[in-house]
Amino acid sequence: GENVEQHPSTLSVQEGDSAVIKCTYSDSASNYFPWYKQELGKGPQLIIDIRSNVGEKKDQRIAVTLNKTAKHFSLHITETQPEDSAVYFCAASFSSNDYKLSFGAGTTVTVRA
Amino acid sequence: NAGVTQTPKFQVLKTGQSMTLQCAQDMNHEYMSWYRQDPGMGLRLIHYSVGAGITDQGEVPNGYNVSRSTTEDFPLRLLSAAPSQTSVYFCASSLSSGVPNTGELFFGEGSRLTVL
Repeated sequence: GENVEQHPSTLSVQEGDSAVIKCTYSDSASNYFPWYKQELGKGPQLIIDIRSNVGEKKDQRIAVTLNKTAKHFSLHITETQPEDSAVYFCAASFSSNDYKLSFGAGTTVTVRA
Repeated sequence: NAGVTQTPKFQVLKTGQSMTLQCAQDMNHEYMSWYRQDPGMGLRLIHYSVGAGITDQGEVPNGYNVSRSTTEDFPLRLLSAAPSQTSVYFCASSLSSGVPNTGELFFGEGSRLTVL
């Protein structure tokens, strides 16, 4: 199955700075790479996703980049705000079945005021 | 719409006891799944279903059973609970299991299970 590694496990940033989380995956057939945000006591929620035919996608302050050759993808959050504090998970599809996802271990992001 | 509803939110079991975690969705989603979340290990897929009457194993299926008799419900059964099953369990659904797919998983709020 798919193996997804996520770094760092914790990240503390000053409000207004940028945050970057990186993930690598093992299955070269994976073609769908979502990012989920989990707030305390809640279930994860999709914030952005990218497919293998696209190298970069942006939505307001968040962006995701994908390097299929190197099998890694990254989440970029610019101008961080206190509400960005949460646990972020990257995921990759099991082979070409994009409804089955393998998740990274998660990154706890803390935005300092 | 309520989305994905999980019950109970908290449960304490003794080793060897059985129980069922309930999951229901009102979005007419084809795909439903169960994940467990453990510190430092992210979310791991236990079982999934691509439609009523169809289930399959995920990454960590041992000790768990599922069934899908209706589109709306996807219960997870622990037949003989073990301390290693102490975890937070999430049910998630998606509109379609086919390709192409929007891909978005909608998660419930989780069920925290402690096995003593």
